[in-house]
Amino acid sequence: QVQLQQSGPGLVKPSQTLSLTCAISGDSVSSNSAAWNWIRQSPSRGLEWLGRAYYRSKWYNDYAVSVKSRIIINPDTSRNHFSLQLNSVTPEDTAVYYCARASVSRQLGLDSWGQGTLVTVSS
Amino acid sequence: EIVLTQSPGTLSLSPGERATLSCRASQSVSSTYFDWYQQKPGQAPRLLIYGTSSRAAGIPDRFSGSGSGTDFTLTISGLEPEDFAVYYCQHFGSSRTFGQGTKVEIK
Repeated sequence: QVQLQQSGPGLVKPSQTLSLTCAISGDSVSSNSAAWNWIRQSPSRGLEWLGRAYYRSKWYNDYAVSVKSRIIINPDTSRNHFSLQLNSVTPEDTAVYYCARASVSRQLGLDSWGQGTLVTVSS
Repeated sequence: EIVLTQSPGTLSLSPGERATLSCRASQSVSSTYFDWYQQKPGQAPRLLIYGTSSRAAGIPDRFSGSGSGTDFTLTISGLEPEDFAVYYCQHFGSSRTFGQGTKVEIK
C-alpha cells in the first residue's frame, strides 16, 4: 500500500520560497507507471493542480500555467521522495498543499494522497 | 483551459436517499481521464471513480459514474451516514482541472 508523508514549514514570509517534501513508501519515485503531483486547496481557489514529475526512461515535468514561472518539482531517487519549490510567494499562495500519486493503472487518477500541509504566507 | 462546473452546490438529502451529482465541462473532454473524489473535513480528497465509471479500490458499489463529452454524473444509490461529504469532479488533459465541489449534507 502506497503511503505519502509530507514535511516542511507551515509559515513562509512573502517573497521567499515555499519548500515541501513528500516521502514515498510502497512505490518508487522512478516508477514507469506513476506520476508525482502537487495540488493545493484554498477557500478562494478551491483545488488547484500545480504540477507533476514522472519518469519514462527520462524525467519529465508538467506545470500549471498559473505557477509555471516560479515552480520546481524535483524527484530524489536516493531518498525516494519528491519536492515542491514555489518561489516568490505572496499571501495568495496560502493554502493546504497536498502531494499525490497518479497511477497509470487507475488511468492517472490520484489514488494516494499525502496528509496535507497548511502553508501560511505571512510576515 | 477547461472549466468544470458542478451542480448543485449543495444537496440536502436523508440517509437512504439517492444522490445525483452533475459536472459539466466547458468543452468536450476525454472520458478516460475523468474522475470523482470525495473529501471529508480535515482530510485529503479520496479517489472514488476514475475513467468516468470505474470504482477505485475499496469503493462500495453504491457509487457509480457515467457520462461523456461535456456531461458527467456521480450517483450514490443509497446514502450511508459516511457519504455526507464534499464531492469533486476532475479532468486531466493538458492540465488537471477540478470542479468547485458539491456538498452532500444531511437533511
